[in-house]
Amino acid sequence: AQSVTQPDIHITVSEGASLELRCNYSYGATPYLFWYVQSPGQGLQLLLKYFSGDTLVQGIKGFEAEFKRSQSSFNLRKPSVHWSDAAEYFCAVGTEKTSYDKVIFGPGTSLSVIP
Amino acid sequence: DTGVSQNPRHKITKRGQNVTFRCDPISEHNRLYWYRQTLGQGPEFLTYFQNEAQLEKSRLLSDRFSAERPKGSFSTLEIQRTEQGDSAMYLCASSPGTFPNNNSPLHFGNGTRLTVT
Repeated sequence: AQSVTQPDIHITVSEGASLELRCNYSYGATPYLFWYVQSPGQGLQLLLKYFSGDTLVQGIKGFEAEFKRSQSSFNLRKPSVHWSDAAEYFCAVGTEKTSYDKVIFGPGTSLSVIP
Repeated sequence: DTGVSQNPRHKITKRGQNVTFRCDPISEHNRLYWYRQTLGQGPEFLTYFQNEAQLEKSRLLSDRFSAERPKGSFSTLEIQRTEQGDSAMYLCASSPGTFPNNNSPLHFGNGTRLTVT
């Protein structure tokens, strides 16, 4: 069975600084990887996903993520953080030929942005 | 596209009472999912429907939980004899097709926050 870890429970960055949120997964074959963002009191919004192909994936809101098979990682990055990026970020992993019911979400990383 | 709608947004109930939540998915989406999210955790899958058929249920879904999607449109999640451990955010999501179709992302509602006192 697959699993996801997000080593950082909480991260604080200054507005304008760069951001990297870590995600590590455990799965024997090629995973399907997602990053979601959740603002307080809201549902989750898909930022980006990796299914195959180019390992550097571009998403919405200026985010990107890189799939590194050798490190079992799918870290999320943004070159310059805006105050509106403060939210909870979830990495998720699925497997081939499965449905969203088999997608496992990580515990999340809470991002705070200092003006 | 009006998004996934969930009602109520908040529900406070006393232990032992029954509660029901409603989810209205995006109209053309045939798949509907229910998740539970506790504080500091990611969503955990509970159950999902393809049209009106309930195709999968998690072991998290005890006998006190039941979900329906009678006409393949809106869905309800009922919890009977609520317990304090049921306190959580209940999220609904829908998708237009099967995974991992690139055009089938999950669209989440804003959730119903349940507090059992």
